[in-house]
Amino acid sequence: DSGVTQTPKHLITATGQRVTLRCSPRSGDLSVYWYQQSLDQGLQFLIQYYNGEERAKGNILERFSAQQFPDLHSELNLSSLELGDSALYFCASARGETQYFGPGTRLLVL
Amino acid sequence: AQSVAQPEDQVNVAEGNPLTVKCTYSVSGNPYLFWYVQYPNRGLQFLLKYITGDNLVKGSYGFEAEFNKSQTSFHLKKPSALVSDSALYFCAAVSYQKVTFGTGTKLQVIP
Repeated sequence: DSGVTQTPKHLITATGQRVTLRCSPRSGDLSVYWYQQSLDQGLQFLIQYYNGEERAKGNILERFSAQQFPDLHSELNLSSLELGDSALYFCASARGETQYFGPGTRLLVL
Repeated sequence: AQSVAQPEDQVNVAEGNPLTVKCTYSVSGNPYLFWYVQYPNRGLQFLLKYITGDNLVKGSYGFEAEFNKSQTSFHLKKPSALVSDSALYFCAAVSYQKVTFGTGTKLQVIP
């Protein structure tokens, strides 16, 4: 167990909808990273937050947004969902350079 | 653009034999290099990292990795493979706060 929690574990929704994925980092970790893992795209870095501020941006679509709250938990918001957004979404937390991954949220868009 | 290459989609090795999973990188600066393992339906788990110093890094579960600056490689190795090592392995590079993962290599250890 990495100490990183993600909710929900599974999410099924329809195209055009909006969902929010939640991540609680390990105690004391200030950094949170979000990733998307799909069969055709592999593991894609989306965005990183550090102590509430956006630090780095990867291949994140404009329909997606994230934030990190004062208690350091983070949320990833996905809107106007498309079939191709079906994937496993991971968050990871870090205190230095080593990232510890949560179990992921499996999103299915129908 | 930064990139991490894992040239083999799958590596098959017999139990008890040594294994190598290859990784090469193309990033600016002096990156930190990582190996992670992913078991089915699980998140990635940290195995080992290279920051600086000795080119041979030892990590969890008997794995080690060799950093080669001239070849920009960071290959993962284990002297004797176990069936339980069968999983998906990812190499990653972090440079100037930007993280790049390879596409992953599926390791299959055959009993």
